[in-house]
Amino acid sequence: DGGITQSPKYLFRKEGQNVTLSCEQNLNHDAMYWYRQDPGQGLRLIYYSQIVNDFQKGDIAEGYSVSREKKESFPLTVTSAQKNPTAFYLCASSVPRQGTNSPLHFGNGTRLTVT
Amino acid sequence: AQKITQTQPGMFVQEKEAVTLDCTYDTSDPSYGLFWYKQPSSGEMIFLIYQGSYDQQNATEGRYSLNFQKARKSANLVISASQLGDSAMYFCAMREVSHSGTYKYIFGTGTRLKVLA
Repeated sequence: DGGITQSPKYLFRKEGQNVTLSCEQNLNHDAMYWYRQDPGQGLRLIYYSQIVNDFQKGDIAEGYSVSREKKESFPLTVTSAQKNPTAFYLCASSVPRQGTNSPLHFGNGTRLTVT
Repeated sequence: AQKITQTQPGMFVQEKEAVTLDCTYDTSDPSYGLFWYKQPSSGEMIFLIYQGSYDQQNATEGRYSLNFQKARKSANLVISASQLGDSAMYFCAMREVSHSGTYKYIFGTGTRLKVLA
């Protein structure tokens, strides 16, 4: 079955360490997205990519970095510069066609805890 | 500026009754899409329903319908015959074209629905 895989489900890190969250999709979608979810704040867009080797900053990109070397993969690195990294991170993908119903398909998320 | 507004942090509904979850949006783009997602306590995001800005009729998917009022910029989700399994967080989202020509999806803060037996 096609889908989006995020690993691991739970991740624990010490403050000051960079950590990379994995996101892999086999839906053949061109566009991929990273969101951060905090209680009471909904989903906030971190980075997104419409095609390989290209990506754009979302609303809260500071302290994060991404790469898009393959269509299937869009890893997110949470750097030590991110002041409040503890959150639930969701990866999503879509088919970026104008005028069509193209909902986001989500992975099951990674819950990152930094202490 | 908030582009998607969900003013109801929490809602209660009696089992088998209908409930409306509010969503207002703000965009200057004539072409946009509106989506509703359900997030159970497990954390997964489940796509429920879609409404395009040019759609003439309100979208329906089973027990879900979208009350789309374009002039008011509202896209309320109506759940009919509520079930205990409908208890979850519900998010309204809008797809818009960014200034670079790429697509972004913006989410509201969500409404937590609790269905009472």
